[in-house]
Amino acid sequence: GESVGLHLPTLSVQEGDNSIINCAYSNSASDYFIWYKQESGKGPQFIIDIRSNMDKRQGQRVTVLLNKTVKHLSLQIAATQPGDSAVYFCAENVWNQGGKLIFGQGTELSVKP
Amino acid sequence: GAVVSQHPSWVICKSGTSVKIECRSLDFQATTMFWYRQFPKQSLMLMATSNEGSKATYEQGVEKDKFLINHASLTLSTLTVTSAHPEDSSFYICSARDRGDPGGKLFFGSGTQLSVL
Repeated sequence: GESVGLHLPTLSVQEGDNSIINCAYSNSASDYFIWYKQESGKGPQFIIDIRSNMDKRQGQRVTVLLNKTVKHLSLQIAATQPGDSAVYFCAENVWNQGGKLIFGQGTELSVKP
Repeated sequence: GAVVSQHPSWVICKSGTSVKIECRSLDFQATTMFWYRQFPKQSLMLMATSNEGSKATYEQGVEKDKFLINHASLTLSTLTVTSAHPEDSSFYICSARDRGDPGGKLFFGSGTQLSVL
């Protein structure tokens, strides 16, 4: 859902550990969800997506889980590396509002070497 | 992959002047583009939906006379911040969806950092 005015929560992990970043969305009409990674001063970079007819999708080192019952999304990063340090946002595609993409609050991931 | 080019990447202007930001889809056509604003340590806030050949749709609380959007072609949308003031200083990001994949992912520009003195 909308998160204007809120500051980013942070997650600190050790290099090599797995990271789990959570996100709650608000709109029952959302049919498509995306995780983005944003580095300082840059635009969002696509990581992985999932449609509402799925509950899990895997990519390279990343897995997205979708729980529509509780409107919850998570991103799991395996063997986290220093290069994974960034801000991660989930976004929901609201199909009945012109397909606009609404971003979640975001989480700042910090990986310690 | 699809590329969205946003220009300029940063701009500094005096209070009261207007600034135009361009967003181009380089290798696909986009009937719809979206403009976001992001303040430091915060999420992206959708400002408006830019529709090719018609008026933009603004989100609640966004002044349409302040943030002028023009989507004159299938590959270009512009955002003009009129009479800019220091509180308009922010990171502005555009995104576009391939018209051939209406339910697909959005591709994002690299953003424009606006600083109003």
